[in-house]
Amino acid sequence: SQQGEEDPQALSIQEGENATMNCSYKTSINNLQWYRQNSGRGLVHLILIRSNEREKHSGRLRVTLDTSKKSSSLLITASRAADTASYFCATGISSGGYQKVTFGTGTKLQVIP
Amino acid sequence: EAQVTQNPRYLITVTGKKLTVTCSQNMNHEYMSWYRQDPGLGLRQIYYSMNVEVTDKGDVPEGYKVSRKEKRNFPLILESPSPNQTSLYFCASSLSEVRINTGELFFGEGSRLTVL
Repeated sequence: SQQGEEDPQALSIQEGENATMNCSYKTSINNLQWYRQNSGRGLVHLILIRSNEREKHSGRLRVTLDTSKKSSSLLITASRAADTASYFCATGISSGGYQKVTFGTGTKLQVIP
Repeated sequence: EAQVTQNPRYLITVTGKKLTVTCSQNMNHEYMSWYRQDPGLGLRQIYYSMNVEVTDKGDVPEGYKVSRKEKRNFPLILESPSPNQTSLYFCASSLSEVRINTGELFFGEGSRLTVL
């Protein structure tokens, strides 16, 4: 079953605008990660936020985590055409002595030059 | 260069013809996993391996087998492929799901499988 659900499913913005993607999940987590996937390619890890963290930055990326609402958001500032890709959240939860990573369904971002 | 390598990248086969998708990583990672990606369903885990000779089922293991005889290799075996196994398959590896609370996964480039 899907642990994470992204919203919106698709997003189209102009270059230079900010893009915000949201992820909601169902159970308590150890951490939450965001991955990027260019069309048909492998996923690339972007950023990880632990359950005791509320906000994290990496370059033009800003991730927030609200464990009380079981939600996270990924903000890409000053978007570029090269940011066009699908973005997935992935929750890490403890399961039988190891950490299980479960992916959401993704947000497809299109940045128009 | 650190990487996860999958082969073949593209394959068209027929129902019932056994096939193997290979996966190899050069990062000395303990943890390896197979996912399938289908439109609207995201990535779903098929099987995973915590270390050599240690494998376990993921969320959608039916119709698949795996083995982990060496640390670097984790092949996915479809003994009798069916059309509902047409999908994009990804192999991923991680240093350790237990020791380090990161779980960052490194992905291969994917194998697109079509079963007719």
